[in-house]
Amino acid sequence: KQEVTQIPAALSVPEGENLVLNCSFTDSAIYNLQWFRQDPGKGLTSLLLIQSSQREQTSGRLNASLDKSSGRSTLYIAASQPGDSATYLCAVRPTNYGGSQGNLIFGKGTKLSVKP
Amino acid sequence: NAGVTQTPKFRVLKTGQSMTLLCAQDMNHEYMYWYRQDPGMGLRLIHYSVGEGTTAKGEVPDGYNVSRLKKQNFLLGLESAAPSQTSVYFCASWGWGNQPQHFGDGTRLSIL
Repeated sequence: KQEVTQIPAALSVPEGENLVLNCSFTDSAIYNLQWFRQDPGKGLTSLLLIQSSQREQTSGRLNASLDKSSGRSTLYIAASQPGDSATYLCAVRPTNYGGSQGNLIFGKGTKLSVKP
Repeated sequence: NAGVTQTPKFRVLKTGQSMTLLCAQDMNHEYMYWYRQDPGMGLRLIHYSVGEGTTAKGEVPDGYNVSRLKKQNFLLGLESAAPSQTSVYFCASWGWGNQPQHFGDGTRLSIL
């Protein structure tokens, strides 16, 4: 069974720091891996999607990497700001377990707090 | 550009009552999903649909029913609400391929 784990569960950093969030998954048979952001009381917003054939994706201050063979992904946030405070969720779309219908398997998230 | 809209945003029910949550998307997506999010459990898939008139069970389908009579709408029903169904419910839609899923803002449901 595919399982997704995110470490740490919570992280507090001072403004300006570069930081790394980690995601691991147990089965390397995936179509893609996605990182989402969730603000309190809100839905999920897609940040980056890495296809299984790709190694990384970048958007502004965000960079996500994927090592499919080892079952790991990292989300790197450069020069963190208080506005980055949110919960970050990692999800994989497996090639089985309903993934052909777009089903995602989520980690439990990392709650990030960036202090001014 | 509304994306995915969920109604209602909040609701309080008594045990045994019934209700329907509505999800509407304006992106002409074939696939739609209902998730529940609970503290310490992450997001879990309840039911999903791969097109108008179709539904399928996800990871935690018991106690819920769904319908997809129109392509743009996906309804989640609770026939006899139980306190264990207190949760935040999210609807999502998906086009195809390596596009991300698009999420609504959620419905916060409390069952007393």
